[in-house]
Amino acid sequence: KAGVTQTPRYLIKTRGQQVTLSCSPISGHRSVSWYQQTPGQGLQFLFEYFSETQRNKGNFPGRFSGRQFSNSRSEMNVSTLELGDSALYLCASSLDWALTQYFGPGTRLLVL
Amino acid sequence: QQPVQSPQAVILREGEDAVINCSSSKALYSVHWYRQKHGEAPVFLMILLKGGEQKGHEKISASFNEKKQQSSLYLTASQLSYSGTYFCGTGGSQGNLIFGKGTKLSVKP
Repeated sequence: KAGVTQTPRYLIKTRGQQVTLSCSPISGHRSVSWYQQTPGQGLQFLFEYFSETQRNKGNFPGRFSGRQFSNSRSEMNVSTLELGDSALYLCASSLDWALTQYFGPGTRLLVL
Repeated sequence: QQPVQSPQAVILREGEDAVINCSSSKALYSVHWYRQKHGEAPVFLMILLKGGEQKGHEKISASFNEKKQQSSLYLTASQLSYSGTYFCGTGGSQGNLIFGKGTKLSVKP
């Protein structure tokens, strides 16, 4: 089975721009979660989608949004980028939230 | 509420044992343990469910104390390949995982 894939792997943006990240889950997985990872903060939960519905959301501003398509692929959008948004963004897929999550390689975003 | 992991960092010699603790102020339904090596994605180690049994592999095991809302990861006879940052993720009733800040483990020859 192919693993979780994320595109792009690296991204450089400037403040004020917006960015869209993509995540393709493992075939058959309907739950996709997004995390932001920065040094010293660990993995911070952004949101989780299941069957095209956002089931859970973390404590991030409304600039962070996401969606999930009927094929379970998910996108995450960050608008009006700030310097502090520079991070590794990881998505993870699972059959359901309480089960094993499989992480993708991440998208490293640098905001200048 | 982010779970608290301790210690923040630990250095071991090959063959030594280590314990990593994870505690939460909220009721837990599940605890997930992951290991992340530098520059790589986190990799699943094990999951412990409320009311479930202790799980583990040969030399890595974990316990889940529901009453104390704590979990501990036990690494015995550590190997160089055990080096990395260990994260615990706690699942509550709301259906999302909250991860701790991680414990950096370094195993030296």
